Amino acid sequence: GQSLEQPSEVTAVEGAIVQINCTYQTSGFYGLSWYQQHDGGAPTFLSYNGLDGLEETGRFSSFLSRSDSYGYLLLQELQMKDSASYFCALDRAGNNRKLIWGLGTSLAVNP
Amino acid sequence: EPEVTQTPSHQVTQMGQEVILRCVPISNHLYFYWYRQILGQKVEFLVSFYNNEISEKSEIFDDQFSVERPDGSNFTLKIRSTKLEDSAMYFCASNGGGAGGTGELFFGEGSRLTVL
Repeated sequence: GQSLEQPSEVTAVEGAIVQINCTYQTSGFYGLSWYQQHDGGAPTFLSYNGLDGLEETGRFSSFLSRSDSYGYLLLQELQMKDSASYFCALDRAGNNRKLIWGLGTSLAVNP
Repeated sequence: EPEVTQTPSHQVTQMGQEVILRCVPISNHLYFYWYRQILGQKVEFLVSFYNNEISEKSEIFDDQFSVERPDGSNFTLKIRSTKLEDSAMYFCASNGGGAGGTGELFFGEGSRLTVL
């Protein structure tokens, strides 16, 4: 089977940097995705790692290490609007993107 | 910007009733999904749909559930004989298809189902 673990809550202050870790167990996958969700609204895509290493998209970066079964999402220059839940999800590439989700990390950004 | 739309935004129903949740995926997308999120919990995969048939379904998606694409734009989830534990937010998502790429799923705002 497949499972993912992430911290349930993280707190940080505006302007800081925060890292949300994700460890996983799987028999096979193609990539690790990250989604953001505000107050139970529509999840929105943030980043995807199909290969090991760092992917950078503006203030957000994501990292994957397949040998360590580990990834993380790095958020820089935190803003209040970044307060949300962040989910890592195992992605099976190809034509059918199923996504197996972690439980989510609730990020609170304080002034 | 193209978006996935879902109706209704909130539906309250009595246990044992049938509900139909509707979704209009992004027009040129080929793959459609339903996910469920019980309040405060993770997002759970229910079913994926391609070429007018189910391509994969989870253990949650039992005989109580069915999906349909009745025309070229709508994608529906039907829940027969609803149970209390079906109370959740149901998200529709679509994907442009094709191997490779980021596989980004585009989600609708969700339909909140409350079963009394």
